[in-house]
Amino acid sequence: DIQMTQSPSSLSASVGDRVTITCRASQNINIYLNWYLQKPGKAPKLLIYAASSLQSGVPSRFSGSGSGTDFTFTISSLQPEDFATYYCQQSYNTPRTFGQGTKVEAK
Amino acid sequence: EVQLVESGGGLVQPGGSLRLSCAASGFTFSGYWMHWVRQVPGKGLVWVSRINEDGSSINYADSVKGRFTISRDNAKNTLILQMNSLRVEDTAVYYCAREGRQWLMNYYYYYMDVWGKGTTVTVSS
Repeated sequence: DIQMTQSPSSLSASVGDRVTITCRASQNINIYLNWYLQKPGKAPKLLIYAASSLQSGVPSRFSGSGSGTDFTFTISSLQPEDFATYYCQQSYNTPRTFGQGTKVEAK
Repeated sequence: EVQLVESGGGLVQPGGSLRLSCAASGFTFSGYWMHWVRQVPGKGLVWVSRINEDGSSINYADSVKGRFTISRDNAKNTLILQMNSLRVEDTAVYYCAREGRQWLMNYYYYYMDVWGKGTTVTVSS
């Protein structure tokens, strides 16, 4: 199974801050990497697919980059509604595996 | 509106069974792979199982293999997860999710683009 490791596990930030989360795969996954947002008690929501493609309707302050084993997710200017947990997930093969999550909290 | 609605969760004793359903609407259900993903409250997302469009290709996480069975009824637009020999560690919120795909740079890329709200399974004596 491909292991996905996110860092940090949590971070504190203020509205307007630039936020960066990294995700590392245990093997080369090309760009088969997706990013999701999840708020407490809610289902995950797809933000980014294929490492850098923005899902329809998702604000452009969200972006992703990377390929191979190392990936980055960025929020260019954190908004109040962005405080949540973010997950990376590989779709290179089955089992689909998720990172452990990064909780973005208010400073 | 594209929608997935799970049902069938509840409280069950260890060793018991539950049957989860996921009703799909607003899209051509038979054209998509479907997944079950679970989440222990306060913990991360864990993939459980996947089924292809016509049910001929199925995968399971090692933790549920031999105990859970995924199936689908395309005529009824319904995804099913039959859960047998339940364990305390199966306690979680169970989500169904649609696997979308996009053709980019000569390859298909896959992602879970539609999720249900989840149904809670509690295994406890």
